[in-house]
Amino acid sequence: QKEVEQNSGPLSVPEGAIASLNCTYSDRGSQSFFWYRQYSGKSPELIMSIYSNGDKEDGRFTAQLNKASQYVSLLIRDSQPSDSATYLCAVGGNNRLAFGKGNQVVVIP
Amino acid sequence: ETGVTQTPRHLVMGMTNKKSLKCEQHLGHNAMYWYKQSAKKPLELMFVYSLEERVENNSVPSRFSPECPNSSHLFLHLHTLQPEDSALYLCASSFSGRAVGEQYFGPGTRLTVT
Repeated sequence: QKEVEQNSGPLSVPEGAIASLNCTYSDRGSQSFFWYRQYSGKSPELIMSIYSNGDKEDGRFTAQLNKASQYVSLLIRDSQPSDSATYLCAVGGNNRLAFGKGNQVVVIP
Repeated sequence: ETGVTQTPRHLVMGMTNKKSLKCEQHLGHNAMYWYKQSAKKPLELMFVYSLEERVENNSVPSRFSPECPNSSHLFLHLHTLQPEDSALYLCASSFSGRAVGEQYFGPGTRLTVT
């Protein structure tokens, strides 16, 4: 079983719509959860961190964590063309982060 | 991006060459990491240094040799690499603690082995 799993395939959303990204993880002892955005040819950029169950909002981004279901999600409201990127889910435990493969988001003007 | 810097940004080397990648962080962190990113694969953790001590070596071949002289600098020494080692090599830093904290990445070194 992979440590961190993200839905495969690009996600196309119209400009102004909500993009929803999901991530599941296998280690129940994980304590910290992050979303990174990576533009093509660039390095990952931290956009959200969440440590406890529930929702955390930062601007147009909302992270949701459910430790019982081992599930973390990212919502991007009012999607903009500049949100077109690959989004990486990362889960922290045992002094390291485990990353998913990433989800490509394409915002269509 | 200026919080963590990496040099060089691009590197082309033959299989018999020896080269080094350099990383420097200006964030006051005490943990540093090397990752490898290949196409269509998740980020792979290579090495972790916490308080200048290597705490993890993730089954990386010996042709990759890390060095952490202080909490702000991290090197990756490369020798006799293989073409499959071509990838983006990323350095990151964070505060060290029981819970893994936010890691901040440098811009990466795009390595091509010919």
